Amino acid sequence: KAGVTQTPRYLIKTRGQQVTLSCSPISGHRSVSWYQQTPGQGLQFLFEYFSETQRNKGNFPGRFSGRQFSNSRSEMNVSTLELGDSALYLCASSPPLAGGNQETQYFGPGTRLLVL
Amino acid sequence: DQQVKQNSPSLSVQEGRISILNCDYTNSMFDYFLWYKKYPAEGPTFLISISSIKDKNEDGRFTVFLNKSAKHLSLHIVPSQPGDSAVYFCAASDDKIIFGKGTRLHILP
Repeated sequence: KAGVTQTPRYLIKTRGQQVTLSCSPISGHRSVSWYQQTPGQGLQFLFEYFSETQRNKGNFPGRFSGRQFSNSRSEMNVSTLELGDSALYLCASSPPLAGGNQETQYFGPGTRLLVL
Repeated sequence: DQQVKQNSPSLSVQEGRISILNCDYTNSMFDYFLWYKKYPAEGPTFLISISSIKDKNEDGRFTVFLNKSAKHLSLHIVPSQPGDSAVYFCAASDDKIIFGKGTRLHILP
């Protein structure tokens, strides 16, 4: 089975621009979560999508948004980029479990975004 | 406010010895705890988990201990091997997964 894939792997943008990152989950996984990893803050939860609906959201400003498509692929968008948005953005997918809990996540390699 | 805390940013352990990574949490509603391992340029990989109804879970060289009254969990790796050098993230789950900031483990030859 192919793992979680993320594109692009690396990206350089300038302040004020917007960016869209893509994540393809493992086949059969319907839950996709996004995280931001920075050296000072570790892994911070952005949002989770399940069956095309946002199920949970972290404490990030509205500039960060996402969506999920019917094939479970997900995109994350950041508008009006700021220098502090430079980070590794990780996507993780989870298999459906009994009771709808999604504990075990499988991470992609991440997209490293640099904002200049 | 950090709900999952890993207070040691880094830890160095001699090869063959026991590595103990610690994690504290504040939310008593967390019902599932996980440890992830991350190598540079790769996403985190799931290592081991424990449900709040247990106090210990073992998988090979890895054992996770949970002390609910202290809101503390720890990951024991024994014996430590060079390939264990990585960043370890503790995570806790209620309706979403909250990660700690990670502890970088160095296994010394």
